[in-house]
Amino acid sequence: QKEVEQNSGPLSVPEGAIASLNCTYSDRGSQSFFWYRQYSGKSPELIMFIYSNGDKEDGRFTAQLNKASQYVSLLIRDSQPSDSATYLCAVNVDYKLSFGAGTTVTVRA
Amino acid sequence: DVKVTQSSRYLVKRTGEKVFLECVQDMDHENMFWYRQDPGLGLRLIYFSYDVKMKEKGDIPEGYSVSREKKERFSLILESASTNQTSMYLCASTPGSPGNTIYFGEGSWLTVV
Repeated sequence: QKEVEQNSGPLSVPEGAIASLNCTYSDRGSQSFFWYRQYSGKSPELIMFIYSNGDKEDGRFTAQLNKASQYVSLLIRDSQPSDSATYLCAVNVDYKLSFGAGTTVTVRA
Repeated sequence: DVKVTQSSRYLVKRTGEKVFLECVQDMDHENMFWYRQDPGLGLRLIYFSYDVKMKEKGDIPEGYSVSREKKERFSLILESASTNQTSMYLCASTPGSPGNTIYFGEGSWLTVV
């Protein structure tokens, strides 16, 4: 089993809709959780991090963490064409950060 | 702003050549990482280092070695490049405590022919 798994996508949503991205992880010792956005040909950039169970909101982005279910998600509200990118879930155990394969999102104008 | 610099952005090397990828960070971070990224596989950890002269194998260390002689510099070495090492290589760094945000360099695109 891979350490971090994401819904495979690609995900296509109309402009203004909500995009929902899911991620599960295998190590119960995982301490912190990150969502990165990566545009084609660029390096990943941090969108959000979350450490505690529940929801965390930052502008149009909401991260949700459920440690009992080993599940973390990202919601993008009012999706814009500029949100079209690959989204990477990352999980931190000790000093190591493990990444999922990513979900590619396309926002249709 | 944290800056992680990968000196070589695009390289083309021949099979069997020795390849050095250099990475420098300017924020006195303890931890440094080398990942490779391939389509459909995401980022996979090759090696990481949590202190000068210390190194730990990641998930895919075969065919690679690393060097960390100074805190700010972490080098990835391909002793004998092979075509299956054609990839995008990302260097990253983070401060010492677990859970800190990781900062990436801009990536090095390596093609082995």
